[in-house]
Order: sequence, then structure tokens, then C-alpha cells
Amino acid sequence: GAGVSQSPSNKVTEKGKDVELRCDPISGHTALYWYRQRLGQGLEFLIYFQGNSAPDKSGLPSDRFSAERTGESVSTLTIQRTQQEDSAVYLCASSSRLNNEQFFGPGTRLTVL
Amino acid sequence: AQSVAQPEDQVNVAEGNPLTVKCTYSVSGNPYLFWYVQYPNRGLQFLLKYITGDNLVKGSYGFEAEFNKSQTSFHLKKPSALVSDSALYFCAVRDPTGGSYIPTFGRGTSLIVHP
Repeated sequence: GAGVSQSPSNKVTEKGKDVELRCDPISGHTALYWYRQRLGQGLEFLIYFQGNSAPDKSGLPSDRFSAERTGESVSTLTIQRTQQEDSAVYLCASSSRLNNEQFFGPGTRLTVL
Repeated sequence: AQSVAQPEDQVNVAEGNPLTVKCTYSVSGNPYLFWYVQYPNRGLQFLLKYITGDNLVKGSYGFEAEFNKSQTSFHLKKPSALVSDSALYFCAVRDPTGGSYIPTFGRGTSLIVHP
């Protein structure tokens, strides 16, 4: 069956450019999460969407980071004026209200030169 | 507040031997606990969870974990390790009484199974 998909799988950009990362959650999953995973480190929470409620943005590291989600479908994470410290793997996960576990996408590896 | 600790950065075990990956947590109420595995260049995969009920939880690939409330632990175990179990393992906790749906993840433990 279809899982969580993310695109692109890899993105190389120059410092100062904007990037847009996409996440397609599992159909019917109301919750969607974005995480950042730096090399050799754990998961850093970024933002959480639940249905049509206001998102929890408490994990966004700066105002250069923003995310949108249309209803219970696709989400886009945007990083403006990228910096080298933004280089990481960005993971998206979705879950349903019935099950508490998260289903993760394969991630987008972002490299800022 | 909720937190989780994985005290070992790396665990080494010989194939065929039992393995344990440790996890301890801190929450105000009763925890929801999870284990995930991450293979190289892949996203995380759900292994098992404890929500309520039996303290011993069985999951995918022969893994199990025991919820120990007095020791605030949720260690991951497997009776006989396989080389293919080598991966990064993450423990996560969520405190449902706080109203948050955002779990806290540990830093991860790298499991290396030697042939």
C-alpha cells in the first residue's frame, strides 16, 4: 500500500536560496509532522498539523522556516535564505487518531553549499 | 514535561546472542512508549508500542519490549540477534495527559550485530 512519500529525495542548493520540500501523507491520516535529523543525531521536531486546527509551530528554529498543509493532504516545508547549518535530512511523518504510531517518509536530504 | 533517554550511543552484539537496547523516560502521567528502527538512508519504521495493558509488548521482526513503571524503562529486546538487525534504534515517549500529540524522541542507539 502507499506510504508517506517525500520529494525531492535529495536537494543541493546554494547558501541564500529558498527551498521547498514536499510531503504526501498516508490517505486518511489527520496528523502530519516535520522533523529535522542532522548527521549522527536524533530527531528534532519542527512542526505539527492536526486536521484543520492551527499548527503547532513550536519547533521551527527561525522565521526562515515555514510550512503549510492544505486540509488533510499534502504539506510543504519552505526554508528561505538557506544557511549551511540547514543541511540535514528532513523527515515527514503522518498518523491517524486511531493509532498513535507515526509512519515516516524516506526523507529529503538537503545540502546547502 | 516529557523526556526520554537512550544511555548507549552504540550496542555491539554477536549474531545469535540476545540483545537489549535501553530506554528510560520521564512523564507526568502514564506514558505512551514507542520504538522505531532506521536503516541506512531510510526513514524510521515503527517496531512496537506500549499504550496500556500487558507490560510485555511484542512487535515486528521478533522484537519485544517491557514496560517497567517502577524503573521508568522500556528496554527493547530480542532473544537472538541477526546481522540484518544492525540499524539505528529510536525510543519515543508521549504524555497523553498533557494534551500533546507530539512525541519526544531519544538520540538513538546504533546496534551493530557482528557475524
